[in-house]
Amino acid sequence: KAGVTQTPRYLIKTRGQQVTLSCSPISGHRSVSWYQQTPGQGLQFLFEYFSETQRNKGNFPGRFSGRQFSNSRSEMNVSTLELGDSALYLCASSLDSRETGELFFGEGSRLTVL
Amino acid sequence: AQSVTQLGSHVSVSEGALVLLRCNYSSSVPPYLFWYVQYPNQGLQLLLKYTSAATLVKGINGFEAEFKKSETSFHLTKPSAHMSDAAEYFCAVSLTDSWGKLQFGAGTQVVVTP
Repeated sequence: KAGVTQTPRYLIKTRGQQVTLSCSPISGHRSVSWYQQTPGQGLQFLFEYFSETQRNKGNFPGRFSGRQFSNSRSEMNVSTLELGDSALYLCASSLDSRETGELFFGEGSRLTVL
Repeated sequence: AQSVTQLGSHVSVSEGALVLLRCNYSSSVPPYLFWYVQYPNQGLQLLLKYTSAATLVKGINGFEAEFKKSETSFHLTKPSAHMSDAAEYFCAVSLTDSWGKLQFGAGTQVVVTP
């Protein structure tokens, strides 16, 4: 059974650009959550989607957005990149996070903003 | 506001010795608590979770944790450290009914020495 797949794994952008990260959850999983991981702030929750609806949102500016498609695949977008957006972005999926309690994480997309 | 505190950002243990990682939470309601592990260049993997069924929770790889409400603690232990236990460990809490939205502690880096 394939795990959570995140693409791209590594990318470099410059300030002011935008970036789109993709997450393919485990087959059958309907919940997808996104987290940002940095050395200074640690792991911070970005948002969670279930059946194409945003269920929860973290305390990030509006430059951070996401969506989920009917096949449960999810994307997140960061516009007008800032140096502080450099981070590892982790996607996690679950059958339904209200029932099983276990998130399965991908290996992450490492974004560097220059 | 809910918060999770992990005592000690770095822990060094000898192979075969007890592993003890400390986690305290602040909450006015019974929380859902988790321990996740992150190996280098990988995503997070669930070790164990507390969901009020039992105060002593057994997880994978020989780890266990005990929920102590009076101490607001959820410490992680393993009787005998193995070299493969070298990783970063995160305590996390969820107050909502959606376990996709977690608040993580700052993490504890475990080093295992021969």
